[in-house]
Amino acid sequence: EVQLVESGGGLVQPGGSLRLSCAASGFTFSSYDMHWVRQATGKGLEWVSAIGTAGDTYYPGSVKGRFTISRENAKNSLYLQMNSLRAGDTAVYYCARLRVPPAFDIWGQGTMVTVSS
Amino acid sequence: EIVMTQSPATLSVSPGERATLSCRASQSVSSDLAWYQQKPGKAPRLLIYGASTRATGIPARFSGSGSGTEFTLTISSLQSEDFAVYYCQQYNNWPPLTFGGGTKVEIK
Repeated sequence: EVQLVESGGGLVQPGGSLRLSCAASGFTFSSYDMHWVRQATGKGLEWVSAIGTAGDTYYPGSVKGRFTISRENAKNSLYLQMNSLRAGDTAVYYCARLRVPPAFDIWGQGTMVTVSS
Repeated sequence: EIVMTQSPATLSVSPGERATLSCRASQSVSSDLAWYQQKPGKAPRLLIYGASTRATGIPARFSGSGSGTEFTLTISSLQSEDFAVYYCQQYNNWPPLTFGGGTKVEIK
C-alpha cells in the first residue's frame, strides 16, 4: 500500500524548534519530488516547502530561512526542520507526494504543530 | 505570486443536484490546475489534475474544465459523501505553489 506517515509534531514555545518526519512506503521514494503543506485550524491549505529528486529545495517567503526540508532516500524518509517558530506556524503539517503531471496524489494523515507559551 | 480565488465560499446544494465550483487565477496558469476534496479531520484527496483529468478512482460525476485563468469543478449529481471542502491549486508558476481559499459544499 502506498502510504505516507508523519510524526514529530507537538507543543513548542515561540522561538523554539521542531523536526517533523514523514515515512514513505509502497513506492520508489527516491523517484518523486516531495512537499510539505500545512493547514491552520479552520483555514485553507498553505504550501510550505518542496524537495526535488536531486535534492533541490524550495520555500515560500513565509518560512524561508527558518525551515529546512531534507530527504534520506535510503530510509524512505522526508524531514522538515523548523526553527524560530512563531504562533502563526501553528497548523497540521502534511507531507505529500508530487506526481507527474504535477499534483499531490498521496498525502499523509498530518501531524499537529502548536506554537504557544 | 499567483493568487487563486475560489467562489462561492459556501455552496448549499440538495443531494442529487448539480454543483458548480469556480476557481480564478490572477494570471494564466495554462491547464496546470488541480482540484482536491477535503473532509473534516482528513487529508485532502486529489480529484482532478491538468484541469480536466480525473485522478485514479475518482467517480465520473466529478469533472473539471477551463484553462488560462478560469476553471470549474462540476459535480453532476451530489451524493452524501460529496459534502466537503474543495480546493483548487496551481502548479504553473512556482514557487510558491498556491491554493485557493476553498469552497465548502454543504447540504441544503
